[in-house]
Amino acid sequence: KQEVTQIPAALSVPEGENLVLNCSFTDSAIYNLQWFRQDPGKGLTSLLLIQSSQREQTSGRLNASLDKSSGRSTLYIAASQPGDSATYLCAGENTSGTYKYIFGTGTRLKVLA
Amino acid sequence: GAGVSQSPSNKVTEKGKDVELRCDPISGHTALYWYRQSLGQGLEFLIYFQGNSAPDKSGLPSDRFSAERTGGSVSTLTIQRTQQEDSAVYLCASSSGSETQYFGPGTRLLVL
Repeated sequence: KQEVTQIPAALSVPEGENLVLNCSFTDSAIYNLQWFRQDPGKGLTSLLLIQSSQREQTSGRLNASLDKSSGRSTLYIAASQPGDSATYLCAGENTSGTYKYIFGTGTRLKVLA
Repeated sequence: GAGVSQSPSNKVTEKGKDVELRCDPISGHTALYWYRQSLGQGLEFLIYFQGNSAPDKSGLPSDRFSAERTGGSVSTLTIQRTQQEDSAVYLCASSSGSETQYFGPGTRLLVL
């Protein structure tokens, strides 16, 4: 059974720092991978989608990469801002076309002004 | 157009009662998903609808849970004879097949 671990579980950093969030899958056969952001009391917002043929995606200050050989993904946030404070979730799809994603428990990020 | 909407936003019920949760997906999205997020837990897949195909119900935790999607649009998740362990946030998402899922704000269910 696929399990997803996110490290660290919580992170507090001063504004301006670059930071890395980690995600690992027990089954490295990941087809698609997404990173989401969840604000308190809100639903999830998709940040980046790495499709099966890709290894990396970038959007603004965010960069996500996926190492399929190890089943690990990282989300890099450059020049963090207080508005980045949220919970970040990674999710992987094991089987092509099912769109059934297995989610990690998230990293709670707080960026201090 | 508008994003995914869910109702009610909050629901408090007594143990043993039935509840219905509603999801309005983004217009035109063929795929619809239900997830459950319990306190301190990751999202747990419940059920997936894709077009007119039979739904994937593999994530439903018990036969007290059921869902339907009428006319390929609105979906209702029904929990019968609710138990305290059913307390969670129930999230709905939809997608157009581009694989990016768009989530609603969720329904917070509390079973007393």
